[in-house]
Amino acid sequence: EIVMTQSPATLSVSPGERATLSCRASQSVNTNLAWYQQKPGQAPRLLIYGASIRATGIPARFSGSGSGTEFTLTISSLQSEDFAIYYCQQYNNWWTFGQGTKVEIK
Amino acid sequence: EVQLVESGGGLVQPGGSLRLSCAASGFTFSGYWMHWVRQLPGKGLVWVSRINSDESTTTYADSVKGRFTISRDNTKNTLYLQMNNLRAEDTAVYYCARPYSSSSYVAFDVWGQGTVVTVSS
Repeated sequence: EIVMTQSPATLSVSPGERATLSCRASQSVNTNLAWYQQKPGQAPRLLIYGASIRATGIPARFSGSGSGTEFTLTISSLQSEDFAIYYCQQYNNWWTFGQGTKVEIK
Repeated sequence: EVQLVESGGGLVQPGGSLRLSCAASGFTFSGYWMHWVRQLPGKGLVWVSRINSDESTTTYADSVKGRFTISRDNTKNTLYLQMNNLRAEDTAVYYCARPYSSSSYVAFDVWGQGTVVTVSS
């Protein structure tokens, strides 16, 4: 099983600032990597797939990068609605998720 | 509007059974693989099972293999998860999810709202 490790566990950021979230795979997943946002009581929402392709309707302030085993999600200027938990997911070999990064208001 | 709506969750004793349903609308259900994903209390997401469009291929996570059965009825646009011999560690929110394309190994762009399964005596 491919293990996905996200860091940090919690990220404290002020509105308007940039947030950078990391995700590492235990073996190469090529660019078969997605990012999801989840708010309390809601289902996950697909943000990024193919490591860097924004899903339909996702604002341009969300961007993804990386390939192989190292990936990054960047939120260029945090808005109030962006405070949530973010999960990475690999779909190169079955589907496994990271444990999540909580982005909280500083 | 593309939508998935789960139902069938509840409280069940260890060793008991439940059948979850996921009603799809707004897209050609029969053209997609479909998946179940669960979220353990206060924790992350875990893939559970998948089924292809004509039910000829089903796959399960090791933790549920032999106890859970995924199925679908394309005439009713509905996905199912039959869960038998339930254990406390099966307690979770269960989501059905649709891949963003008709391929198998892709991310999930449509999720249901989730249904809560609690296994406890």
